[in-house]
Amino acid sequence: GAGVSQSPSNKVTEKGKDVELRCDPISGHTALYWYRQSLGQGLEFLIYFQGNSAPDKSGLPSDRFSAERTGGSVSTLTIQRTQQEDSAVYLCASSLVVGRVGSPLHFGNGTRLTVT
Amino acid sequence: AQKITQTQPGMFVQEKEAVTLDCTYDTSDQSYGLFWYKQPSSGEMIFLIYQGSYDEQNATEGRYSLNFQKARKSANLVISASQLGDSAMYFCAMRGVSGAGSYQLTFGKGTKLSVIP
Repeated sequence: GAGVSQSPSNKVTEKGKDVELRCDPISGHTALYWYRQSLGQGLEFLIYFQGNSAPDKSGLPSDRFSAERTGGSVSTLTIQRTQQEDSAVYLCASSLVVGRVGSPLHFGNGTRLTVT
Repeated sequence: AQKITQTQPGMFVQEKEAVTLDCTYDTSDQSYGLFWYKQPSSGEMIFLIYQGSYDEQNATEGRYSLNFQKARKSANLVISASQLGDSAMYFCAMRGVSGAGSYQLTFGKGTKLSVIP
């Protein structure tokens, strides 16, 4: 079916505002991942979901970041009281299963977040 | 824990020539997987090729091949017959079997490849 879909593609927000980033994974993929990519940097792992459960939240940078997944499908990453250092591209990915060594991640186009 | 090192921030290659992008890794896992992704200026991460640690032969996918040297812990990407559309960032990544490395992909910082006409 269709690939991983993320919205919005671009988001400009004022410092202190809350933002919600949405990810719609490939149909049938049980695993969903959020990564952050700052300018000129590699990918920083934030959180993953197996179904609706997030077993490891330790990658979230601060308690201003939260994520949920409902119906084993769509996921939302929420950043409260945004700061300028939150400016980055937020990438969502999905894979068929979690924990299979050879299972690649399929990425969306990302949401470019700019905090002014 | 896994670690990926890509030592070439930027590379240039003439169109139609071959190019090798370097990747070294570190892990204590005996079983692991190595991946290469391409990220064009549009931003999407495109999966290119996969190599398993127990695979005896180097992986190939069209013009992409992975030069896997297990003893040296290197997994270099070779692109043959470069095309202008190959200009992009290239990321090496790995997944292990223990701890956090068993579910996430750990990425290197990437190499920016520019293909010159």
